[in-house]
Amino acid sequence: ETGVTQSPTHLIKTRGQQVTLRCSSQSGHNTVSWYQQALGQGPQFIFQYYREEENGRGNFPPRFSGLQFPNYSSELNVNALELDDSALYLCASSASGVSYNEQFFGPGTRLTVL
Amino acid sequence: GESVGLHLPTLSVQEGDNSIINCAYSNSASDYFIWYKQESGKGPQFIIDIRSNMDKRQGQRVTVLLNKTVKHLSLQIAATQPGDSAVYFCAVSGGSQGNLIFGKGTKLSVKP
Repeated sequence: ETGVTQSPTHLIKTRGQQVTLRCSSQSGHNTVSWYQQALGQGPQFIFQYYREEENGRGNFPPRFSGLQFPNYSSELNVNALELDDSALYLCASSASGVSYNEQFFGPGTRLTVL
Repeated sequence: GESVGLHLPTLSVQEGDNSIINCAYSNSASDYFIWYKQESGKGPQFIIDIRSNMDKRQGQRVTVLLNKTVKHLSLQIAATQPGDSAVYFCAVSGGSQGNLIFGKGTKLSVKP
């Protein structure tokens, strides 16, 4: 098991609602990346935070937003939820915001949108 | 942009046999490659990585081969065990931002 934790483990929301997911990075890691994993698919990159700043973003709309705190933990916020947002949301921490660094994944938050 | 594909969505092997899982990538400038194992209900677990200046790297019972000429990556698991049953993803570094681009995964089933 990695030292990356996520909360909650499961969540059920309805269309149009807003959700906040949380992630605590592994000790010593200052970078958190968020991924969305639809059923039967590989994880897709949402965005990355490095030293409290967004360091890169995948092909996701602005209603997906995030924060990173001074202790390097992070939040993913999704507004105006849609049915297609139902997925496993993974966060991964790494030692810095560049390539070549192994990313350690948390167990994920399973979001269901009804 | 980069895309990552897998040749086979499922693979079934007998316990004790060797397993080979393949992956193809599109961007010849990709320089960092990782294999992850994901068990049901869990996040991806790092298995082994390789950088573009190498063509082979070995770990405990696992070997990753990188063929940059044909942009192909493979994971070999020796003496496959029931505990190896999982979905295996290859991932490629997306560039300076450090994001990873994942393939769709191969589900490995090990028959006792």
